[in-house]
Amino acid sequence: GAGVSQTPSNKVTEKGKYVELRCDPISGHTALYWYRQSLGQGPEFLIYFQGTGAADDSGLPNDRFFAVRPEGSVSTLKIQRTERGDSAVYLCASSLLAGGRTDTQYFGPGTRLTVL
Amino acid sequence: GIQVEQSPPDLILQEGANSTLRCNFSDSVNNLQWFHQNPWGQLINLFYIPSGTKQNGRLSATTVATERYSLLYISSSQTTDSGVYFCAVETWAGSYQLTFGKGTKLSVIP
Repeated sequence: GAGVSQTPSNKVTEKGKYVELRCDPISGHTALYWYRQSLGQGPEFLIYFQGTGAADDSGLPNDRFFAVRPEGSVSTLKIQRTERGDSAVYLCASSLLAGGRTDTQYFGPGTRLTVL
Repeated sequence: GIQVEQSPPDLILQEGANSTLRCNFSDSVNNLQWFHQNPWGQLINLFYIPSGTKQNGRLSATTVATERYSLLYISSSQTTDSGVYFCAVETWAGSYQLTFGKGTKLSVIP
């Protein structure tokens, strides 16, 4: 079946603008994660959804970042008043969770955000 | 939080050579995954291996959870194996988030 998809693949914006990044998880996956990867580093956790609710948002760097998953499937990561330091690749992942047990996280291709 | 260290940071191999990549972690983990990030940036799952040994073709992985390390073996390397290999661990911290190491950058030359 289809994997995790993310749109857009690239986003260039100006400092101070608002951006939205979209993630379509694998069908049937209840868990959805957002990560951010800077050049030369491993991905860093931002937020985790179980169903519609944000179960853990401890990785969001500040209140300019917000994410939603209103119907328990597609998720949108929203960044207000973008700063040059927000430039990175934003990765989305999804996984099956059953009976409190975790499973493999599958990653999308990422959205490369550049803030000028 | 948990620390994940990968070694070596960089590795250059001649095509056909074998290699071992190491991942050390500082605390007990629920889960460990190995990924390959290809030159286009896509993270590809290699293994879900909280403990024990698994094999998939020319790749195999072993995790010794009690000693807090995991090894990824690549045999008969090919140029398509080039990229960055990441180890990522999951600890229960209220969610199933993965903590990644900094990766091993592998270059396989013909």
